[in-house]
Amino acid sequence: GQNIDQPTEMTATEGAIVQINCTYQTSGFNGLFWYQQHAGEAPTFLSYNVLDGLEEKGRFSSFLSRSKGYSYLLLKELQMKDSASYLCAPNTVSGGYNKLIFGAGTRLAVHP
Amino acid sequence: GAVVSQHPSWVICKSGTSVKIECRSLDFQATTMFWYRQFPKQSLMLMATSNEGSKATYEQGVEKDKFLINHASLTLSTLTVTSAHPEDSSFYICSARWGAEEQFFGPGTRLTVL
Repeated sequence: GQNIDQPTEMTATEGAIVQINCTYQTSGFNGLFWYQQHAGEAPTFLSYNVLDGLEEKGRFSSFLSRSKGYSYLLLKELQMKDSASYLCAPNTVSGGYNKLIFGAGTRLAVHP
Repeated sequence: GAVVSQHPSWVICKSGTSVKIECRSLDFQATTMFWYRQFPKQSLMLMATSNEGSKATYEQGVEKDKFLINHASLTLSTLTVTSAHPEDSSFYICSARWGAEEQFFGPGTRLTVL
């Protein structure tokens, strides 16, 4: 079956660094996405990892280890606007189709 | 970047009526569109995968006769919630993808069934 685990909630201070971990067990794994979602809005794309290693994009970095079924999203220089849910989403191939399976999301609260 | 629109952005309907939600890819042709449902403080649950010109593939537990999906063109997919009930009230989000690239999400439609 498919299983995705990430912490339910995290808090951090403005200007700090936070790491959101995600472990997954999926069949037909074909890369992993991270999305940001503010309350009442649709998710927005943050990063995509298909190979092992670290992908850096400005204040956001994402890491993937396929052998360990593990990924993390690293947010640097936190800003108040970073308060949102962060969704870990492995891309899987099933029945010939690529589809995303979303984790429950990690609600991040950034405080002054 | 790629833009996906949804219409309407919110809808209130009476129990027993049907509601149609449109999802359009505005600046690219989407070979695949996805429909998700999200309840408050929960994650997105994939309902179905829709490929242009073929029948949608529904996830386990999703009633295909209740949630009718049509993907008539490479830029338009529709979700019709038939005989809606209060438990169908949710945030419905579509996404669109070309090939194996990332999915682009629409802004979502909030459905409230009275």
